[in-house]
Amino acid sequence: QQQVKQSPQSLIVQKGGIPIINCAYENTAFDYFPWYQQFPGKGPALLIAIRPDVSEKKEGRFTISFNKSAKQFSLHIMDSQPGDSATYFCAASRRASGSRLTFGEGTQLTVNP
Amino acid sequence: NAGVTQTPKFRVLKTGQSMTLLCAQDMNHEYMYWYRQDPGMGLRLIHYSVGEGTTAKGEVPDGYNVSRLKKQNFLLGLESAAPSQTSVYFCASRPFGGPSYNEQFFGPGTRLTVL
Repeated sequence: QQQVKQSPQSLIVQKGGIPIINCAYENTAFDYFPWYQQFPGKGPALLIAIRPDVSEKKEGRFTISFNKSAKQFSLHIMDSQPGDSATYFCAASRRASGSRLTFGEGTQLTVNP
Repeated sequence: NAGVTQTPKFRVLKTGQSMTLLCAQDMNHEYMYWYRQDPGMGLRLIHYSVGEGTTAKGEVPDGYNVSRLKKQNFLLGLESAAPSQTSVYFCASRPFGGPSYNEQFFGPGTRLTVL
């Protein structure tokens, strides 16, 4: 049972483009929504996160948009660079469960020069 | 400050063999986690620990056991390895409180192949 569904599975953009990765969740009790970035051969690392009391959060070139009523959230990467090429995972958790993360399937992003 | 380290980095087992994966963290974190990563399936939680001496089952615990005898170490054991356990295994830790209490810090992973 996949509680967090992520799309697309892979994405190719040109340098400067704005890739968008989408996630949908089922459990309305989730109260924390992070995005993790993973480079080949490395472990995931936290990129940006949002709580459901705000609709948008921006950190540098990375923005999370959150739609509570639709149970969806997305990651936008402005002015994408080849160095952004990585696998991106959305996730969700709720404090009552010890903040255990439920991950989406992952999106492999390639930014061409 | 090494963060989260995992031993070994690579391992090949034959079906039925046993092994233990070691995770160590030097950040004094209370929570530790073991995940497996398979193509197209994201990361799935195997077992986790909320403190020294405690463990709990995650999403896919069958075929694995864990122990947390020391706060800084979290061991993942495979008693009788099966080809379905071929995967990349990640350990993570996070603090109980503080400004980063929700952030999980991941190790570099262990690539396990079961023949």
